[in-house]
Amino acid sequence: GNSVTQMEGPVTLSEEAFLTINCTYTATGYPSLFWYVQYPGEGLQLLLKATKADDKGSNKGFEATYRKETTSFHLEKGSVQVSDSAVYFCALSSNRDDKIIFGKGTRLHILP
Amino acid sequence: GAGVSQSPSNKVTEKGKDVELRCDPISGHTALYWYRQSLGQGLEFLIYFQGNSAPDKSGLPSDRFSAERTGGSVSTLTIQRTQQEDSAVYLCASSLGAAGREKLFFGSGTQLSVL
Repeated sequence: GNSVTQMEGPVTLSEEAFLTINCTYTATGYPSLFWYVQYPGEGLQLLLKATKADDKGSNKGFEATYRKETTSFHLEKGSVQVSDSAVYFCALSSNRDDKIIFGKGTRLHILP
Repeated sequence: GAGVSQSPSNKVTEKGKDVELRCDPISGHTALYWYRQSLGQGLEFLIYFQGNSAPDKSGLPSDRFSAERTGGSVSTLTIQRTQQEDSAVYLCASSLGAAGREKLFFGSGTQLSVL
């Protein structure tokens, strides 16, 4: 079945550091890929998405590129801020059904 | 309201009791999901409703779990004979159309504690 694997946290970085959170997937067909974020005390919200190979999703300085050859969708940001501290979830939706499967989440702590 | 509403926000129950969790999606959203969020387990898919189609129940962990969606709007997740391992945050999400193409809007969740 479909699955998403993302790096375990917590990840702790200093402000202005470069961030990478790895995400790989297993899926039949041609999935759409997502990153959702859960800020402290808030509900999950969509951060970015990509619907086909080589697409790049971007939002709030974050980027992720849909790499079919490596079945990956790694999240990157060039210079993180304290306000980026949150839990980040990688997710996929197969084109054969609309069930969205999430990874286990990666908690990110940014130190001032 | 403007967002997905879930009630109650917190529920404490005794092992063996039944519980009902409610989700009120955004008006007009045809897709509705239930997920379970446990520490270290991420978001576990439970069930998916899309319009008038038969729901995808493939994520329900046992026959103690059931869900219904009345009139294409409000949904209720029922857990019978609760067990301690059912303790988790239960999240509901809705989307305007097929969630593979539309983003999900999440509620704040119901924190269920089974003593």
